[in-house]
This record gives sequence, structure tokens and C-alpha cells, in this order.
Amino acid sequence: KQEVTQIPAALSVPEGENLVLNCSFTDSAIYNLQWFRQDPGKGLTSLLLIQSSQREQTSGRLNASLDKSSGRSTLYIAASQPGDSATYLCAVRKGYNQGGKLIFGQGTELSVKP
Amino acid sequence: DGGITQSPKYLFRKEGQNVTLSCEQNLNHDAMYWYRQDPGQGLRLIYYSQIVNDFQKGDIAEGYSVSREKKESFPLTVTSAQKNPTAFYLCASRTGTGGAGLAGPPYNEQFFGPGTRLTVL
Repeated sequence: KQEVTQIPAALSVPEGENLVLNCSFTDSAIYNLQWFRQDPGKGLTSLLLIQSSQREQTSGRLNASLDKSSGRSTLYIAASQPGDSATYLCAVRKGYNQGGKLIFGQGTELSVKP
Repeated sequence: DGGITQSPKYLFRKEGQNVTLSCEQNLNHDAMYWYRQDPGQGLRLIYYSQIVNDFQKGDIAEGYSVSREKKESFPLTVTSAQKNPTAFYLCASRTGTGGAGLAGPPYNEQFFGPGTRLTVL
């Protein structure tokens, strides 16, 4: 059974710091991995999607990497800002014929202090 | 604007009542999903549908029902059989139902609605 873990559960950093959020999964046979952001009481916003054949994806100050063999993904946020404060979730899709179902980690709650 | 809408934003249910949560999308996505989010437990899949008039149970389908009569709509009914319905409910839809041969990433990306918070009185 695929399990997704995100550590730490919460992180507080000063503004301007570069930071890394971690995501690990137990079964390396994934189809893709998606990183989301969730603001309190809101839905999820898709940040980056990495296909299983890719090593990384970049969008602005965000960079996500994927190492399938070790079952790990990282989300790198450069020059953090108070507006980056939110919960970040990673989710893996197991296989093409699995209906597109995502298995989620429990999230990392990020607080960026001005 | 293209997107996913959920209504209502807040919903209160009395014991023994059935309630229906609405999810509509105008993204022309074939696949739609319902997730439940509880504090400290992440998101869990309730039901999903890959095509009109077809749907499958997710990991926690007991006490819930769905229908998919139109491509744009995937309503979720929380029945009285659901013992602990208080939660935040999220609807999602997904791009691309084809295989790895399709061009134009990102495909198979899931997009989420704003959610409905259900509280049992």
C-alpha cells in the first residue's frame, strides 16, 4: 500500500530564507507526483506536477525534484516571502490505470515571518 | 473563467438527514473526484468518475453516494449512514484521459474546487 509522508509537519522561517520541503513515498512505481498549496479554509492550488520520467520541474521561485528510486521528492522555495505562508501537500499517482487517484501526504504547514 | 465551483461553502446537517454537495466544472475534464479532509489526516478519496454515467468507490465510500449524469457535474450525497460526516469536502477534476503518448504537458494534472465545510449539528 502506497504511503506518503511529509516531514516536518510545521516549519517557521524568517523572510528571505531559502527552504526545502520533503516528501517521501513507499512505492517507487508512481505515474506522477504533484505539489499543492492550501491556504486556511481554501481549496488546493496546484503548484508543480512531475511525471515519473522527469527529474525536476520549475515555476518561478519554486523547484520540485523527484528521485523515484529513493522514493523522495523535494520542493525548494527560493527567497521566501510572508505570502508563501500556507500548507504544502504532495500527492502521488500510482499508475496510469488507477483512475488518476492521488495519495496525499499530511502536509507541511509553512510560516514565513516578516 | 474556467474552473471548478462547489456549493454551498458552508453546510449544516442535522442527525439523520441526507445532504447533497454540488460540484461543477467548465474545464471539459472527463475525470472528477471527491475527497474528504480531516485535521491531521490529509485528504482521502471518497468517489471518482472517469466518464459520464460511470463512477467508482474510493477508500472511504461508505455512507456516501454520487451520480455523474453530465460531464460538468459530480454531486456528492452524504447520507445518514455516514457516522462522522463533519469535515471539509473537496472536489477535483483532471486533465487528460489519454496515455503517456499525448503531447502538451502538464497532463493528468488535478485541479481542485474551493471546498464545502460540512458540520453536523
